[in-house]
Amino acid sequence: KAGVTQTPRYLIKTRGQQVTLSCSPISGHRSVSWYQQTPGQGLQFLFEYFSETQRNKGNFPGRFSGRQFSNSRSEMNVSTLELGDSALYLCASSLEGAMETQYFGPGTRLLVL
Amino acid sequence: AQSVAQPEDQVNVAEGNPLTVKCTYSVSGNPYLFWYVQYPNRGLQFLLKYITGDNLVKGSYGFEAEFNKSQTSFHLKKPSALVSDSALYFCAVREGGGSARQLTFGSGTQLTVLP
Repeated sequence: KAGVTQTPRYLIKTRGQQVTLSCSPISGHRSVSWYQQTPGQGLQFLFEYFSETQRNKGNFPGRFSGRQFSNSRSEMNVSTLELGDSALYLCASSLEGAMETQYFGPGTRLLVL
Repeated sequence: AQSVAQPEDQVNVAEGNPLTVKCTYSVSGNPYLFWYVQYPNRGLQFLLKYITGDNLVKGSYGFEAEFNKSQTSFHLKKPSALVSDSALYFCAVREGGGSARQLTFGSGTQLTVLP
């Protein structure tokens, strides 16, 4: 099976702009989670989607949003970008169930100037 | 609330020697524990997990981990380190039985295997 894919792999934006990142999960996986990775804060949970519904949300401002489509593909959007949003954004997919493993994509590296 | 601690930012070990990367956790209920590895400019690769059963879990690339409930630890081990094992290692926890599916990660441990 193909792994989790994320596009684009790299992005450069300026403050105040908005950005949309895309994630295609492993075939058959209906749960998609997003994480932000920075040197200072480490890996932090953004949100999780299952069957097109946001099931959990981390402690991030409302500028961070996401959605999931009927084919389980997911997008996350960050509006009014700030310098501190520069990070590696990781998407993970899994089968349903707390015991299931999350499999991660390669990430999208976002640089905000 | 759930949390993970990786007390060592950096671990150095000589090639061929055994390695241990430490992890302790805190959850309200039963823990589901995971180890991931990250190579530079890459996503996280799953190594192994503990859900229930045998306290010694074997995973990919010769890695194993031992679940110790009394010490709330889940240390990652490998009998003989390879230079190619050099990478960033993350321990993660999820509360079993809870509704939340997100993983809580430790801060990561940079493993360097010296030739």
